[in-house]
Amino acid sequence: GAVVSQHPSWVICKSGTSVKIECRSLDFQATTMFWYRQFPKQSLMLMATSNEGSKATYEQGVEKDKFLINHASLTLSTLTVTSAHPEDSSFYICSARVGGRRTDTQYFGPGTRLTVL
Amino acid sequence: QKEVEQNSGPLSVPEGAIASLNCTYSDRGSQSFFWYRQYSGKSPELIMSIYSNGDKEDGRFTAQLNKASQYVSLLIRDSQPSDSATYLCAVKGSGFNKFYFGSGTKLNVKP
Repeated sequence: GAVVSQHPSWVICKSGTSVKIECRSLDFQATTMFWYRQFPKQSLMLMATSNEGSKATYEQGVEKDKFLINHASLTLSTLTVTSAHPEDSSFYICSARVGGRRTDTQYFGPGTRLTVL
Repeated sequence: QKEVEQNSGPLSVPEGAIASLNCTYSDRGSQSFFWYRQYSGKSPELIMSIYSNGDKEDGRFTAQLNKASQYVSLLIRDSQPSDSATYLCAVKGSGFNKFYFGSGTKLNVKP
């Protein structure tokens, strides 16, 4: 299967700082990547869809000025959590879309655990 | 109504038994269906995809799709304790870039 990496795997930061998370497709090109957030014992929550070369599409209720997404190349999307606060502490997971219209699939990165103190 | 519905469980089965996980979806135009496994504290891992009605087998896993009933299932034969995880059903909707995930069924395989 396709390999997606994320960096860092975990990060601890102080309240008010910004944190950047990278998502890379290692052995394929991904025109579309997705960003999810998952709180403990809860289901995946889609935050935004990231398309290479265009603005990300955010889900309802997700602040685009707080969660900045940049899909600068076919293998890299970044999520920046700006002015992070303790309530932003969560497990952030990216995925990349692979395949054609009828067979496309999502492959997930290993996730980034963010703790804001 | 949620796009994808799953029983949250937990579903408990003894080691060696068949585990049956079920999922229904609402978008009749959906063409692609997936099962992901998620261990606690880890990200989801794709274990099966199915695109046509019927059964698809891969090792101990069998995915079943019935588009008329809008129903997808996953059978795990000879269940092992290492299969204990949350299983997520996902559906590629008819809209562009629309993937929908169920909330997951927690499976416990008891030794």
